[in-house]
Amino acid sequence: EIVLTQSPGTLSLSPGERATFSCRASQSVSKYFAWYQQKPGQAPSLLIFGASSRASGIPDRFSASGSGTDFTLTITRLEPEDFAVYYCQQYDSSPFTFGPGTKVEIK
Amino acid sequence: QVDLVQSGAEVKKPGASVKVSCQASGYSFTDYYMSWVRQAPGQGLEWMAWINPNTGGTNYTQKFRGRIAVTRDASISTAYMALTSLRSDDTAVYYCARGGYHTSGPWNAFDVWGQGTTVTVSS
Repeated sequence: EIVLTQSPGTLSLSPGERATFSCRASQSVSKYFAWYQQKPGQAPSLLIFGASSRASGIPDRFSASGSGTDFTLTITRLEPEDFAVYYCQQYDSSPFTFGPGTKVEIK
Repeated sequence: QVDLVQSGAEVKKPGASVKVSCQASGYSFTDYYMSWVRQAPGQGLEWMAWINPNTGGTNYTQKFRGRIAVTRDASISTAYMALTSLRSDDTAVYYCARGGYHTSGPWNAFDVWGQGTTVTVSS
């Protein structure tokens, strides 16, 4: 099973600031990699697929990069609606594992 | 629009079984893989299984093998996840999520999610 490790666990920032967080896989997942956003009481929603492609309707302040084992998600200027938990996921091999999440909270 | 609508909350006793449904609309149900993901209270996401609604083929994570069955009824565009021998640590929100196109394989991100079904296991 591929284990995903996310850092940091929590990020305390103010609206307008830049957020950068990362995810590392225990073995290569090529570009079979996604990022999801989850707000309290809601289902997760897809932000990024294929390691760097924005899903439909995702604003361009969200960007992502990486391949193999190291991946990064960046939010250039945090909007109030961006404060949420972000999960990474690999879908290179079964089981399709998720990382433990990074919580972006208002400072 | 594309939507996945899940069945309502369930309360079960330890040892019982639960069956959660997920009805798809707005797209051809048999064209896309469907996965099941759960989230225990205050915890992260855990992938459980996928089904190819076109063929009925399934894949389960080792942790649940023997206790889980994912099926579908294509005539009503609905997928099901049944979990048996429930324990207190099966208390979670269970989500269905649309995966990749059936001819491309299951290796795709989940672009549409159901609203979630809360399953509570308590004596």
